Amino acid sequence: DQQVKQNSPSLSVQEGRISILNCDYTNSMFDYFLWYKKYPAEGPTFLISISSIKDKNEDGRFTVFLNKSAKHLSLHIVPSQPGDSAVYFCAAKGAYNYGQNFVFGPGTRLSVLP
Amino acid sequence: GAGVSQSPRYKVAKRGQDVALRCDPISGHVSLFWYQQALGQGPEFLTYFQNEAQLDKSGLPSDRFFAERPEGSVSTLKIQRTQQEDSAVYLCASSARGDRNTGELFFGEGSRLTVL
Repeated sequence: DQQVKQNSPSLSVQEGRISILNCDYTNSMFDYFLWYKKYPAEGPTFLISISSIKDKNEDGRFTVFLNKSAKHLSLHIVPSQPGDSAVYFCAAKGAYNYGQNFVFGPGTRLSVLP
Repeated sequence: GAGVSQSPRYKVAKRGQDVALRCDPISGHVSLFWYQQALGQGPEFLTYFQNEAQLDKSGLPSDRFFAERPEGSVSTLKIQRTQQEDSAVYLCASSARGDRNTGELFFGEGSRLTVL
């Protein structure tokens, strides 16, 4: 049973518009969330994170929103650029005594069209 | 080096062969993780080290998988008697903090294993 879900395998957005990538989780023990970006033949690279004490974190064009009651988070990219085209993974981690493991979703492939 | 380094980048093995995959984490990073990523999937946790101690190996799929980090830096993931279902990209990641680790993971480029 997948604990972290990204139900959209792919998303296409026009350059300059907003990209919204969604992530849902089932485990209420998760309290720290990260987004990673992956280009082909490269390892994932960290993008932005949010802890459960916040509902929003912003870094330049990237904003992550967390809705704890819905166990849902989303990544907003505004404005989208062609260089943002990549696979985006949502990852979650539990509280201190729950282990050090990060659990990843299956990813969403974002294509930003010029 | 500046980043996490993995070798080999590509490995083709015949079914039944043993393979060893190496990970050189960022210098000084306490935590080291191994993940397995099948085609079209997200990374799946295999095992975690804090320095030389293997604190979690719950993700290793069978006893054919073995990982070590004897001096708390370089790590090796060994797969014995490889099977076709072992074909995947094996990602190594390190992180600076060893306590309640909320820091980001720094990933290597991965080792792509193909078992024929």
